[in-house]
Amino acid sequence: ETGVTQSPTHLIKTRGQQVTLRCSSQSGHNTVSWYQQALGQGPQFIFQYYREEENGRGNFPPRFSGLQFPNYSSELNVNALELDDSALYLCASSSYRAEAFFGQGTRLTVV
Amino acid sequence: KNEVEQSPQNLTAQEGEFITINCSYSVGISALHWLQQHPGGGIVSLFMLSSGKKKHGRLIATINIQEKHSSLHITASHPRDSAVYICAATRPRYMNRDDKIIFGKGTRLHILP
Repeated sequence: ETGVTQSPTHLIKTRGQQVTLRCSSQSGHNTVSWYQQALGQGPQFIFQYYREEENGRGNFPPRFSGLQFPNYSSELNVNALELDDSALYLCASSSYRAEAFFGQGTRLTVV
Repeated sequence: KNEVEQSPQNLTAQEGEFITINCSYSVGISALHWLQQHPGGGIVSLFMLSSGKKKHGRLIATINIQEKHSSLHITASHPRDSAVYICAATRPRYMNRDDKIIFGKGTRLHILP
């Protein structure tokens, strides 16, 4: 069992709304990566945060944004939700020379 | 070509059968993960391995670093094993500034009672 916790586990939002997803990092880890897994697809990289700064970004529009806090926990924010944003959002915490641990994911449904 | 390839994509088997899911990768890695996802559910980490073999209950994971290949085996399969199994490779930080984890597309396993 990992120390990476995501909240909430399930969420339903209406198109156009905004959502914030949260991820706690494993103790001793300073990097959090976020992934989106659409139905029937493999996870796609959204972005990574390292020591409170964005450290790389995948092919996602600016309405996907994030934060990392001094305790290295992280938030993923999505503005102006679209139906296609419905997916499992997965975070992984890691650190240099330390392996990645995965959260269980947040399942977002946009209606 | 994906850097992490899984096979088969779909697998249907009878309860009790021995199951093997394969994962090949073409990049240098520091570890390989096997993840399980039940329909409509979240992700569960099954194994993280960088060499050799690990066993947990009816699940066994092996990795051959030289051949860049890993397998997940399920003995005495049961309908509750029906899920998507994903392999994910983590790359050493110095090799890649970001996108450290590369996921396979998953294997959808269905065990019939």
